[in-house]
Amino acid sequence: SQKIEQNSEALNIQEGKTATLTCNYTNYSPAYLQWYRQDPGRGPVFLLLIRENEKEKRKERLKVTFDTTLKQSLFHITASQPADSATYLCALPFMDSNYQLIWGAGTKLIIKP
Amino acid sequence: ETGVTQSPTHLIKTRGQQVTLRCSSQSGHNTVSWYQQALGQGPQFIFQYYREEENGRGNFPPRFSGLQFPNYSSELNVNALELDDSALYLCASSARGHRNTGELFFGEGSRLTVL
Repeated sequence: SQKIEQNSEALNIQEGKTATLTCNYTNYSPAYLQWYRQDPGRGPVFLLLIRENEKEKRKERLKVTFDTTLKQSLFHITASQPADSATYLCALPFMDSNYQLIWGAGTKLIIKP
Repeated sequence: ETGVTQSPTHLIKTRGQQVTLRCSSQSGHNTVSWYQQALGQGPQFIFQYYREEENGRGNFPPRFSGLQFPNYSSELNVNALELDDSALYLCASSARGHRNTGELFFGEGSRLTVL
């Protein structure tokens, strides 16, 4: 069955540094992968989507890579700020459908001033 | 803000009771998905509605049911509540089409506590 793994331990980063989060998946070759941000007690907010034929995608201070050979996506936040502190979730389309997503458990990012 | 609204935001029920959660989708979106998120976990897909019909279901028992209305709003009903049903219930809307890649717009969720 499809499985998604994100680092369950919180990631502590000093303000101004680059934060890198990892999403690994198995038993699957998704057409795309999505990253969301979730603040405590709130719904996830879409950040970026990267397709299988794209190696890298950027949006302002965010960068996502997608390595289909390693079955891994990396999510980078450059020049990190305390306001970037949140849980970041990766999601992939369910094997039998492009309209259903399966999710990792998320990685909590803490940016220290 | 996404334009997806959910109600109620918080509720407490006792085991065995029934609950109805409501969701208004973002304007222009014809698809609604419901997810259950336990504390510290990622969202788990319950089901999806498209054009008022269930269009995909996750690994949830039949006591989880739903509806979608002509205006694309939706309800999630859970019967015979169990303690493990305590979670954040998330509604997400999306626009299905040939250019759609599944980007979801979530509401703020309904926090259900079952005692």
